Amino acid sequence: KAGVTQTPRYLIKTRGQQVTLSCSPISGHRSVSWYQQTPGQGLQFLFEYFSETQRNKGNFPGRFSGRQFSNSRSEMNVSTLELGDSALYLCASSSQGTLHFGNGTRLTVT
Amino acid sequence: QKEVEQNSGPLSVPEGAIASLNCTYSDRVSQSFFWYRQYSGKSPELIMSIYSNGDKEDGRFTAQLNKASQYVSLLIRDSQPSDSATYLCAVKMDSNYQLIWGAGTKLIIKP
Repeated sequence: KAGVTQTPRYLIKTRGQQVTLSCSPISGHRSVSWYQQTPGQGLQFLFEYFSETQRNKGNFPGRFSGRQFSNSRSEMNVSTLELGDSALYLCASSSQGTLHFGNGTRLTVT
Repeated sequence: QKEVEQNSGPLSVPEGAIASLNCTYSDRVSQSFFWYRQYSGKSPELIMSIYSNGDKEDGRFTAQLNKASQYVSLLIRDSQPSDSATYLCAVKMDSNYQLIWGAGTKLIIKP
């Protein structure tokens, strides 16, 4: 079974731009969660989608948004990028409570 | 404020010794507890999950849960250099399925 696939692996953007990250979950997994990981803050929960509906949301500003499609693939969008948005963005799909992480997208904002 | 706390380390342990990683949580209603391992530059992977008070063993790994004291620990016996990684504790709030993560403990196994 293929694992969680995140694209792209690396991104470099400038302040003010917007970015879209993509996540394809493990086949059959209907839950997709997004996390931001930085050295100082650790893993910070962004949001979770289940069957195309946002089920949970973390404490991030409205510049961070997401969606899930009928095939369970998910996208995350960050608008008006700030330097502090530089981080590793991890997507995880789950079935029966166990999270399976993708390799992440490393976003650098300059 | 619901939190999960871990000592950031680094925790240095000689090869072959027992590594003990600890995690405390503040929300008494938490019911599910997880330990993830993250190698540098890699994504987290599940090591152990535990749901009931007591010990749960899986090979060289033992998870211990004490709900009354609100802590969960991970013991690694016969530590190997390949165990060097950051270990993340996660606690699940069954009320909304959300996982709360600790900041992780960096473990270094010295040959």
